[in-house]
Amino acid sequence: EIVMTQSPATLSMSPGERATLSCRASQSVSTNLAWYQQRPGQAPRLLIHTASTRAAGIPARFSGSGSGTEFTLTISSLQSEDFAVYYCQQFNIWPPLTFGGGTKVEIK
Amino acid sequence: EVQLVESGGGLVQPGGSLRLSCTASGFTFGNFWMTWVRQAPGKGLEWVANIKEDGSEKYYVDSVKGRFTISRDNAQMSLYLQMNSLRAEDTAVYYCARVGTVKGGGYFDSWGQGSLVTVSS
Repeated sequence: EIVMTQSPATLSMSPGERATLSCRASQSVSTNLAWYQQRPGQAPRLLIHTASTRAAGIPARFSGSGSGTEFTLTISSLQSEDFAVYYCQQFNIWPPLTFGGGTKVEIK
Repeated sequence: EVQLVESGGGLVQPGGSLRLSCTASGFTFGNFWMTWVRQAPGKGLEWVANIKEDGSEKYYVDSVKGRFTISRDNAQMSLYLQMNSLRAEDTAVYYCARVGTVKGGGYFDSWGQGSLVTVSS
């Protein structure tokens, strides 16, 4: 099973700041990685797939990078609606499909 | 617009059974792998099961193998999760989602709103 580790667990940021979230895989997942956003009380929403491709309707301030075992989600300028929990997920080797533990982006 | 609506959640005693349903609309249901993902209260996301477009392949996380069964009815545009021998640790919000890739192991590009299953005496 591929273990996904996200850091930090919590990121305290101010609106307008740049946020950088990390995701590490226990072995290479190539670029078979996705990022999701989950706002309180809502279902997750796909942001990025295949490491760097934005899903339909996702604003350009969200970008993904990386390959192999190291990945980054960057939010260039935090908006109020971006304060949420973010999860990475690998789909290179399965079953099982595995998620990271999440990074909570909170208002500083 | 893609829509996924789950139903069937509720309170069940340990050892009991429950069947979740997910009704799809806005896309050709029979052309997509589908999945169930769960989230225990205050915890992260956990993949539960996937099913191929025609139902011929099914995959499960180890913790539910032999207890849960994923199935689908393409004519009814519906996905199901039969859950037997339920345990307290199965307590979670269960989401159905569409797999956004041609191959079964992929990312999830559309999600339902979730259905809460509580296992408690």
